[in-house]
Amino acid sequence: DQQVKQNSPSLSVQEGRISILNCDYTNSMFDYFLWYKKYPAEGPTFLISISSIKDKNEDGRFTVFLNKSAKHLSLHIVPSQPGDSAVYFCAASPGGTASKLTFGTGTRLQVTL
Amino acid sequence: DAEITQSPRHKITETGRQVTLACHQTWNHNNMFWYRQDLGHGLRLIHYSYGVHDTNKGEVSDGYSVSRSNTEDLPLTLESAASSQTSVYFCASSDRSGSGADTQYFGPGTRLTVL
Repeated sequence: DQQVKQNSPSLSVQEGRISILNCDYTNSMFDYFLWYKKYPAEGPTFLISISSIKDKNEDGRFTVFLNKSAKHLSLHIVPSQPGDSAVYFCAASPGGTASKLTFGTGTRLQVTL
Repeated sequence: DAEITQSPRHKITETGRQVTLACHQTWNHNNMFWYRQDLGHGLRLIHYSYGVHDTNKGEVSDGYSVSRSNTEDLPLTLESAASSQTSVYFCASSDRSGSGADTQYFGPGTRLTVL
């Protein structure tokens, strides 16, 4: 039972355009969401997060939107750069003192010139 | 600089052998986690620890064990390696900040092949 779903395994975007990566979740107990970025042969690195009390969080070129009623979040990258080419994982947690993360299957983003 | 390291980075072993993967962090974090990454599954939690002498089973714990004798280390042991345990293994750590879910910091991974 996949509680966090990333239904697009891959995405290709031109440099300078917007990249939109999507994530859906099923567990209503999740109240904190994170995006991780992973390059080949490296560990995932934290990118941006959002608490369920917010519907948007922005950090430079990266913005995460949360729609709690739809149990959906998205990561927007504007403008996309070739260095953004990586696998992006969505993760969710019930927060509090139990900070276990449940990860999605990942979306491979390729930013082309 | 604080960091989290894993060793070895690559390991080939035979079915039935016992294998131990090391994880060491210098962040002084309370929480440590082991994940495996497989195509089509993302990262799945194997075991985790919230402090010294504390260990808990994750989503895919069968065939694995951990022990936490100090803050810095959480070794992962495969008691009798199976081909289904061929995977990339990631260790992570986080500090219990109390402000919601704690951001986890990941090691570089260990690629394990069981023949």
